[in-house]
Amino acid sequence: DGGITQSPKYLFRKEGQNVTLSCEQNLNHDAMYWYRQDPGQGLRLIYYSQIVNDFQKGDIAEGYSVSREKKESFPLTVTSAQKNPTAFYLCASSMLASSYNEQFFGPGTRLTVL
Amino acid sequence: DQQVKQNSPSLSVQEGRISILNCDYTNSMFDYFLWYKKYPAEGPTFLISISSIKDKNEDGRFTVFLNKSAKHLSLHIVPSQPGDSAVYFCAAIIQGAQKLVFGQGTRLTINP
Repeated sequence: DGGITQSPKYLFRKEGQNVTLSCEQNLNHDAMYWYRQDPGQGLRLIYYSQIVNDFQKGDIAEGYSVSREKKESFPLTVTSAQKNPTAFYLCASSMLASSYNEQFFGPGTRLTVL
Repeated sequence: DQQVKQNSPSLSVQEGRISILNCDYTNSMFDYFLWYKKYPAEGPTFLISISSIKDKNEDGRFTVFLNKSAKHLSLHIVPSQPGDSAVYFCAAIIQGAQKLVFGQGTRLTINP
């Protein structure tokens, strides 16, 4: 089955530790995205990547880092510099060639920093 | 600067009746709009979309209406079913851009 996988579903970390969230897709999509969702708020874009080895900051990139070494993978690292890291993190992908950017989402990872 | 706004955080509707979810936008450059549905602890799933060259798009029980002059769109669900209980996000994009802009979401609850 084609789709987007995120692991783990729940993640707990101590304050001050970096943590990396996994995102893999087998849809052969060019573009990948990371969003953050907080209660009562919409999805806010952290980073996105249109091609391998290239990525751009979204609206709330501070305290996060990404890499895109393979088309299928777009891991997100939440660093200790992120002041409020506890949130639900969503990865998405889309065909770059499509005129309109319908994005397909993974199941999400809930990160709790203790 | 919230370019896409869903001013109702929640909506409660009786099963079988019509659910109407609203969305307003400020950027007149947006030319494509999407609705996503999200269950708790899951990723959003695409529901229906509309291009700015249309004013209505229908798919089964779901219809999206676009009023460009008012910069307003709405999602109608009829008849509403218990499985429709979820958070609904409105999103907008400019053709050629790679960034969807999402609203805050509206939590829809369908009561039996």
